[in-house]
Amino acid sequence: EVQLLESGGGLIQPGGSVSLSCTASGFSFSLYAMNWVRQAPGKGLDWVSTISGNGDTTYYADSVKGRFTISRDNSKNTLFLQMNSLRVEDTAVYYCAKSPGVYSPYYLDYWGQGTLVTVSS
Amino acid sequence: DIVMTQTPLASPVTLGQPASISCRSSQSLVHSDGNTYLSWLQQRPGQPPRLLIYKISTRFSGVPDRFSGSGAGTDFTLKISRVEAEDVGIYYCMQATQFPLSFGQGTKLEIK
Repeated sequence: EVQLLESGGGLIQPGGSVSLSCTASGFSFSLYAMNWVRQAPGKGLDWVSTISGNGDTTYYADSVKGRFTISRDNSKNTLFLQMNSLRVEDTAVYYCAKSPGVYSPYYLDYWGQGTLVTVSS
Repeated sequence: DIVMTQTPLASPVTLGQPASISCRSSQSLVHSDGNTYLSWLQQRPGQPPRLLIYKISTRFSGVPDRFSGSGAGTDFTLKISRVEAEDVGIYYCMQATQFPLSFGQGTKLEIK
């Protein structure tokens, strides 16, 4: 059974940093691209970033480019999102989601439960 | 960037009756590999999103056959043949044909 478990959220001051993790199980982690998608309170879904299975290709939404970094440790079946220079508008539940392909997302077939990041002074 | 527009934004439906949600993309979703990466997700209250349909019309594992998807190019539809109480939630279309990936605004399905 595929399982994705996010962690690392919390209350962060504007301009601060936080690192999110997503621990995966139930599939061969290195064979699949992984994604971060966020959802602001009461709002819709917003794609953040995608990383290829071997970690050599990454993509970012313009809203986070230069501030967020996606990475993965395939030896530990873990996906990361390093979030710097946080803004109030980054407040959201952050979901990690698996793709069925190695390089391209195609679609997001499994989702974690999400972790809440609140940026506020 | 591809903009995804869903209609309606809210859909009150009687139990046992059909429901339909439309999704339109601002440009064709046909990928260079010939596939169309349009999918539908369901988000029940308090839950993460769940994949229902991918590549326009393929139901994901475990999804009841009352859910069906159709369409081509820029116009797509999700249909529920007979709405059940467990179908209450928000439905999103999503394109993954090109970056940035994008979602529709969401359609709230509620029971009359």
